[in-house]
Amino acid sequence: NAGVTQTPKFQVLKTGQSMTLQCAQDMNHNSMYWYRQDPGMGLRLIYYSASEGTTDKGEVPNGYNVSRLNKREFSLRLESAAPSQTSVYFCASSEARQGAWETQYFGPGTRLLVL
Amino acid sequence: AQSVTQLDSQVPVFEEAPVELRCNYSSSVSVYLFWYVQYPNQGLQLLLKYLSGSTLVKGINGFEAEFNKSQTSFHLRKPSVHISDTAEYFCAVSVRLGVKTIFGAGTRLFVKA
Repeated sequence: NAGVTQTPKFQVLKTGQSMTLQCAQDMNHNSMYWYRQDPGMGLRLIYYSASEGTTDKGEVPNGYNVSRLNKREFSLRLESAAPSQTSVYFCASSEARQGAWETQYFGPGTRLLVL
Repeated sequence: AQSVTQLDSQVPVFEEAPVELRCNYSSSVSVYLFWYVQYPNQGLQLLLKYLSGSTLVKGINGFEAEFNKSQTSFHLRKPSVHISDTAEYFCAVSVRLGVKTIFGAGTRLFVKA
């Protein structure tokens, strides 16, 4: 049981390049989330998916797109990377569709540097 | 809108000493409260959560937190810390009819020998 996995672990991009961050969970969870973590700012929600086939914007969605490919997988795409998107990106999942009480389970993170 | 304020960005403490990490929240509706821990180069994991009932919540690794509605606080405590408790701790809040969680900026706990 791997929990939440993310690929890649590290990535360096040049400004304007695109990339997709992959996330998968094997816990049969309904909800999945993408956060970015920046020093002194905690975690900020980029996008979330309350169930397969639905996605919604979070606190900082600009410059990102997401796809809930199936119940297991939730990808985050940067179409044209900018230095302001240098960050650590975490994917998380939780069991319930509308379960604000549910524990979120986090992946190990992807460290992205945009030059 | 909800917000979370962690009052200390860094807390240094000696091994076997007690520690309190402070968290205040703001919300006009009922909330759920969480503490998560992040060890170096890892994702976050849940320490404890308050949903309802007893205001004193016990979590893993000997941590506990007390929900104080009048002071809108949810401080995390441990009576005796270990070197292995060195990590970043995040307080978080979710509203009862939503799905999103708001995280605080984090408190770095340094436990010194």
